[in-house]
Amino acid sequence: EIVLTQSPATLSLSPGERATLSCRASESVAGSLAWYQQKPGQAPRVLISASSRRAAGIPPRFSGSGSGTDFTLTISSLEPEDSAVYFCQQRGGRPLFTFGQGTKLEIK
Amino acid sequence: QVHLVQSGAEMKKPGAPVKISCKASGYSFSNFPIHWVRQAPGEKFEWLGWINGGIGDVKYSEKFQGRVTITRDTGATTVYMDLTGLTSEDTAVYYCARQGSGGVFDSWGQGTLVTVSS
Repeated sequence: EIVLTQSPATLSLSPGERATLSCRASESVAGSLAWYQQKPGQAPRVLISASSRRAAGIPPRFSGSGSGTDFTLTISSLEPEDSAVYFCQQRGGRPLFTFGQGTKLEIK
Repeated sequence: QVHLVQSGAEMKKPGAPVKISCKASGYSFSNFPIHWVRQAPGEKFEWLGWINGGIGDVKYSEKFQGRVTITRDTGATTVYMDLTGLTSEDTAVYYCARQGSGGVFDSWGQGTLVTVSS
């Protein structure tokens, strides 16, 4: 199983600051890495696919980067509505999909 | 507009089965796979399996092989997930999700809480 480890577990930042979230894989995921945002009581929403491709309707302040085993989600200038849990997901291997445990982002 | 609407919360006793439905609308049902994932309290999401909306072939996570069955009714554009032999460890919110381009889950159902308790 490809294990995804996210850090930090919790991040507390102010509006306008930059957030950097990390997702590390136990083995190479060949770029098939996605990021999701989940707010309390809601289903997740895809932000980024294929490591760096922004999904339709996602603001440009969200960007993804990385390859192999190390991936990053960056939110360039935080808005209050960005408060959520962010998790990464990879496709490939067995099981076919695995997920990170999430980073909780709090906006002060 | 893509919509996935799941059936309501379930309360089950240990050993019982559960069946959850996922009604799809707003897109061509046969063209996109539907996946089932779950999130237990305080845990990571877990992938259970998927079904191809067109030809209906399925693939399951080895962890759930033998306990999970995913089926679909193309006329009703609905996907079903059966999970048998429930234990307290199966208490979770279960989601269906559509796989879009790039292999990501681009639309999700609202989630169905399954609680297993004696």
